[in-house]
Amino acid sequence: AQTVTQSQPEMSVQEAETVTLSCTYDTSESDYYLFWYKQPPSRQMILVIRQEAYKQQNATENRFSVNFQKAAKSFSLKISDSQLGDAAMYFCAYRSATSGTYKYIFGTGTRLKVLA
Amino acid sequence: EPEVTQTPSHQVTQMGQEVILRCVPISNHLYFYWYRQILGQKVEFLVSFYNNEISEKSEIFDDQFSVERPDGSNFTLKIRSTKLEDSAMYFCATQALGDETQYFGPGTRLLVL
Repeated sequence: AQTVTQSQPEMSVQEAETVTLSCTYDTSESDYYLFWYKQPPSRQMILVIRQEAYKQQNATENRFSVNFQKAAKSFSLKISDSQLGDAAMYFCAYRSATSGTYKYIFGTGTRLKVLA
Repeated sequence: EPEVTQTPSHQVTQMGQEVILRCVPISNHLYFYWYRQILGQKVEFLVSFYNNEISEKSEIFDDQFSVERPDGSNFTLKIRSTKLEDSAMYFCATQALGDETQYFGPGTRLLVL
């Protein structure tokens, strides 16, 4: 069974600085999708970025980028020029592309604090 | 931009009562999911639904739970006899055909007393 691990329960970053959130996963599959979702205090789950495992190029979305290391099964999220609005819980999620299951498997989350 | 909506936003109920949580998916989406998040814990998969039937369910989704799409638009989760441990945030998510991304609703916070 696949698992997702986020080893940093909480991180802090100074406004305008860069922070990296870690995520590792375990799978025997070769094709899958990885996601980062943001959950602000309102608790809505908002997609930040996604990565297809077959793509070697790291995904980027404005100030958000990932470092996808397939061999190491690592999928970290880098937030550049951090803003106060980035403060939230961040969840890493895995979805199989081949096993016929479409459910997401989530990590335990990292709470990001942004300091003014 | 189209959004997934959920009602109610909050629900307080007595143990043993039935609750129905509602979700309105994005209009062209065909895959529907329910997840739950107990306070302070990670988001857990409950069930997926496609073509008017359950396609997958987790161990959490026991006989007390059911899902349906009664009118072709709303997607509902029913808990027949709520327990204290059912207190959680329940998220609906929907997905379009050919898309790998699930779009989440704002959630329903359920409190069972």
